[in-house]
Amino acid sequence: QKEVEQDPGPLSVPEGAIVSLNCTYSNSAFQYFMWYRQYSRKGPELLMYTYSSGNKEDGRFTAQVDKSSKYISLFIRDSQPSDSATYLCAMSVGPNSNSGYALNFGKGTSLLVTP
Amino acid sequence: EPEVTQTPSHQVTQMGQEVILRCVPISNHLYFYWYRQILGQKVEFLVSFYNNEISEKSEIFDDQFSVERPDGSNFTLKIRSTKLEDSAMYFCASTLTGSNYGYTFGSGTRLTVV
Repeated sequence: QKEVEQDPGPLSVPEGAIVSLNCTYSNSAFQYFMWYRQYSRKGPELLMYTYSSGNKEDGRFTAQVDKSSKYISLFIRDSQPSDSATYLCAMSVGPNSNSGYALNFGKGTSLLVTP
Repeated sequence: EPEVTQTPSHQVTQMGQEVILRCVPISNHLYFYWYRQILGQKVEFLVSFYNNEISEKSEIFDDQFSVERPDGSNFTLKIRSTKLEDSAMYFCASTLTGSNYGYTFGSGTRLTVV
């Protein structure tokens, strides 16, 4: 059973559009939810971080977590060509003794914002 | 802004050879990780390292793999006898407190096994 599912896209939108990216998961023990952005040939870069259920907003980005549905979303308002990248959802159970937080990633959604 | 540095950016090796991938984590970070991403696949957790020992590892991290922090600044991943299926991007990451929030990834090493 795949723990984290994410539609790989590609998703193409015009500049200024609202983008909605989503992930579903199966492990109800996940408590920490993140969205990363990854440019070609670069490592993932943290965009948003949420603990448990709820919404979090940061500028043009809003992250939502619905633990009852095991569903998380990232919304990008007023999308820009510079937002073109692959967006990865990631989640973790939490700290395991001294191991820190091992992350479980989705496959990533490729987003293209056209001028 | 502090960075996690990985070298080399691309390594090509013959099947059966040993490779060492190198990482310099952010200087005051205490938790270190290796992840890999096979082309077109998910980023997958390999191993976490804290207080000079492995604290958690995935099923992928078998006896072929080892990690070391040889000198207090570098963090290495060794693959003893490479296989074709080891071809992937390998990402090093570090955090100060082990929390998700402070995770910083390097730009990765692309390993190609031929």
